[in-house]
Amino acid sequence: DAGITQSPRHKVTETGTPVTLRCHQTENHRYMYWYRQDPGHGLRLIHYSYGVKDTDKGEVSDGYSVSRSKTEDFLLTLESATSSQTSVYFCAIRGGNSTYNEQFFGPGTRLTVL
Amino acid sequence: QQQVKQSPQSLIVQKGGISIINCAYENTAFDYFPWYQQFPGKGPALLIAIRPDVSEKKEGRFTISFNKSAKQFSLHIMDSQPGDSATYFCAASYNFNKFYFGSGTKLNVKP
Repeated sequence: DAGITQSPRHKVTETGTPVTLRCHQTENHRYMYWYRQDPGHGLRLIHYSYGVKDTDKGEVSDGYSVSRSKTEDFLLTLESATSSQTSVYFCAIRGGNSTYNEQFFGPGTRLTVL
Repeated sequence: QQQVKQSPQSLIVQKGGISIINCAYENTAFDYFPWYQQFPGKGPALLIAIRPDVSEKKEGRFTISFNKSAKQFSLHIMDSQPGDSATYFCAASYNFNKFYFGSGTKLNVKP
């Protein structure tokens, strides 16, 4: 998975609790993305980062926050988890210096909010 | 409002047949159109991509056809194999920043 790890890989939590998902890369890529994948919706962008401390919102950012204090780590936080945030979360990275700017995806985190 | 619409939702093809998946978009500013392949339990992986200045791109058994005036693009898988059974996503991006994905097509290639 192109030097991308996500942790945890599986998590079950309860409504109202805070949750933080971690994406770690060893590729020194500039861009990092958080997506959620739900049946019938494909992948939807939550937030992305174009550098350390530089982030922007995606299509479905409500209820989520992100932080990137180091090039290699991009954290996704659900401040107060809701059942609608039950999903599979994917992190992706992109170098930003090649013609086609390929995105490489991590293995995913399956989050269940009860 | 979904930026990229994909069809069909599922597809069954016999081994050796041609699989065709279609996508349509509205935003004419999109300038990069990738296709991703995803196997169960894995993250998506880039399969093939096209820029809007060409009408077709072929890589092995996989071809993207792009119709700029109709704002449509499609993936053709020639000589489909059981190992091609996966979920396929089209996507679109402007300036490689935000990527917008279609809803996915689950392909099943029968032996």
